[in-house]
Amino acid sequence: ELKVEQNPLFLSMQEGKNYTIYCNYSTTSDRLYWYRQDPGKSLESLFVLLSNGAVKQEGRLMASLDTKARLSTLHITAAVHDLSATYFCAVDSTDSNYQLIWGAGTKLIIKP
Amino acid sequence: DSGVTQTPKHLITATGQRVTLRCSPRSGDLSVYWYQQSLDQGLQFLIQYYNGEERAKGNILERFSAQQFPDLHSELNLSSLELGDSALYFCASSVSGTWGYEQYFGPGTRLTVT
Repeated sequence: ELKVEQNPLFLSMQEGKNYTIYCNYSTTSDRLYWYRQDPGKSLESLFVLLSNGAVKQEGRLMASLDTKARLSTLHITAAVHDLSATYFCAVDSTDSNYQLIWGAGTKLIIKP
Repeated sequence: DSGVTQTPKHLITATGQRVTLRCSPRSGDLSVYWYQQSLDQGLQFLIQYYNGEERAKGNILERFSAQQFPDLHSELNLSSLELGDSALYFCASSVSGTWGYEQYFGPGTRLTVT
């Protein structure tokens, strides 16, 4: 069974600090997606990583993919309060009939 | 704004009732996905349609059904509702039904079953 595990599931941090969210998955896949969800709101696509070694950056967020390690990271640089949200990673593969398998989400709270 | 629309935004109904949730995908997207998000279960994939045909099923209960119409909008029907069906229901769309295409999510319908 394809599993996607995120850690930590909850993270409280101070503004200005750096931190990394990890997303591990259990099967071969070259495709990983990161989404953001604000409380009570919809999911917004952040990054689509489609190959080993892919790195994408948007503002203070940077996502990378290591398909050999089956690991993606979402790095937050100099966090600001506006980045407080829940972050989800998701993977699709032939094992899942190309359906997205979702991690449980990481709830990030950034304190001023 | 993702371009995906869902109605209604909120729905309050009683146990045993039936409701219909509606979704219109982004212009040009052929694939529609339905998800359920509850506090204790996270984001659960229910079902996918592609160009009017069912493509994949996830953890969808037999009391739930969906369809996609020729104009590509989709409806999710929930019947014999139970308290545990209270959740946020999201519709998402993508241009293709295969891998490598990100999904765009609608604003969701919050269903409360009392």
